Amino acid sequence: DGGITQSPKYLFRKEGQNVTLSCEQNLNHDAMYWYRQDPGQGLRLIYYSQIVNDFQKGDIAEGYSVSREKKESFPLTVTSAQKNPTAFYLCASSKGQGVGGANVLTFGAGSRLTVL
Amino acid sequence: KQEVTQIPAALSVPEGENLVLNCSFTDSAIYNLQWFRQDPGKGLTSLLLIQSSQREQTSGRLNASLDKSSGRSTLYIAASQPGDSATYLCAVRQSYGGATNKLIFGTGTLLAVQP
Repeated sequence: DGGITQSPKYLFRKEGQNVTLSCEQNLNHDAMYWYRQDPGQGLRLIYYSQIVNDFQKGDIAEGYSVSREKKESFPLTVTSAQKNPTAFYLCASSKGQGVGGANVLTFGAGSRLTVL
Repeated sequence: KQEVTQIPAALSVPEGENLVLNCSFTDSAIYNLQWFRQDPGKGLTSLLLIQSSQREQTSGRLNASLDKSSGRSTLYIAASQPGDSATYLCAVRQSYGGATNKLIFGTGTLLAVQP
């Protein structure tokens, strides 16, 4: 079955450490996204990528980095520069960026990061 | 700046009731609006997408309406079941701001359907 796989599901980090969250999709989607979800807040866009080897900052990119070396993969690194990294992280993908059905997002199951 | 608000934040109903979830947005310049369902600790599942030119969409017991001029959307759930218990989020896609698929999300309504 096609879908998006995020790993790990749960991750604990000590302050000052970088961690990388994995996101893999086998939907043949061109666009991929990372969102952060905090209690009582809507999802906020961290980074997105429309095509391989290209990505753009979202609304809250500070303290995060991404790469898009393969169409299927869009890993997110939470660096020590991110002051409040404890959150639920969601990866998503879409066929394209156009209007209409092509931009319907498919989400992964999420990764919960806790900083100790 | 687009702001999306969902009221109520939480709702508890007995099984079998029909219910309405509300979503409002401040800027009517949108391409479309989506309703999502999120189960605890899980990702989002798309329920319905309404294009800006449409007034409503239906899928099974779900019906979503859109009034773009007033900045409102409602999600109607008929004959609610305990399995409908989840958080429901709405999101709007801006019709300006470059070629991005940027969705602006509301904070969600946590629904509990009591058996």
